Amino acid sequence: AQTVTQSQPEMSVQEAETVTLSCTYDTSESNYYLFWYKQPPSRQMILVIRQEAYKQQNATENRFSVNFQKAAKSFSLKISDSQLGDTAMYFCAFMKPHAGGTSYGKLTFGQGTILTVHP
Amino acid sequence: GAGVSQSPRYKVAKRGQDVALRCDPISGHVSLFWYQQALGQGPEFLTYFQNEAQLDKSGLPSDRFFAERPEGSVSTLKIQRTQQEDSAVYLCASSPLRPETQYFGPGTRLLVL
Repeated sequence: AQTVTQSQPEMSVQEAETVTLSCTYDTSESNYYLFWYKQPPSRQMILVIRQEAYKQQNATENRFSVNFQKAAKSFSLKISDSQLGDTAMYFCAFMKPHAGGTSYGKLTFGQGTILTVHP
Repeated sequence: GAGVSQSPRYKVAKRGQDVALRCDPISGHVSLFWYQQALGQGPEFLTYFQNEAQLDKSGLPSDRFFAERPEGSVSTLKIQRTQQEDSAVYLCASSPLRPETQYFGPGTRLLVL
């Protein structure tokens, strides 16, 4: 079974600064997907960024980028130029690859990191 | 287009009552997932549908939990004889056939008193 660990229950950062959220995972699969999701207070889960394990290049989405270290099973999220709207719970998640002809996308989530951006 | 919708948004139930939670996925999405999120925790998988077929229900915590998607679109998660430990946010997500990106609904917050 896969496990995802986020060791930072809470983080804080000043507006316009950079912050990095940590995530490690454990799997015996060689190909898989990794995700960062954002869940603002009382609002729905939003996909921030996705990484495919077979791609060595780190994914980026505007101010969000990841540091994917496959051998170390580490997947950290860097948020540059932090904004007040980035305040949220951030979840790291793992998805197994497709099983044969049947697509399957069960997500395994970490415990989450509460990020607070201060003005 | 509309996103994933869930109803009700909030539900208060007395212990022992049955509840039904509804999920309307994005139109045309083949895959539908239910997750349970306890307060301050990450979501945990409950069950998965591909069209009307329930292909994985390994995450359902007990036989009091039942999910269906009879016509391959709307899904209902039913909890019988609710217990206090069932209090959580129940999230629904849908995706196209290849589920690399799941789109989540706003969730139903269930409180069992």
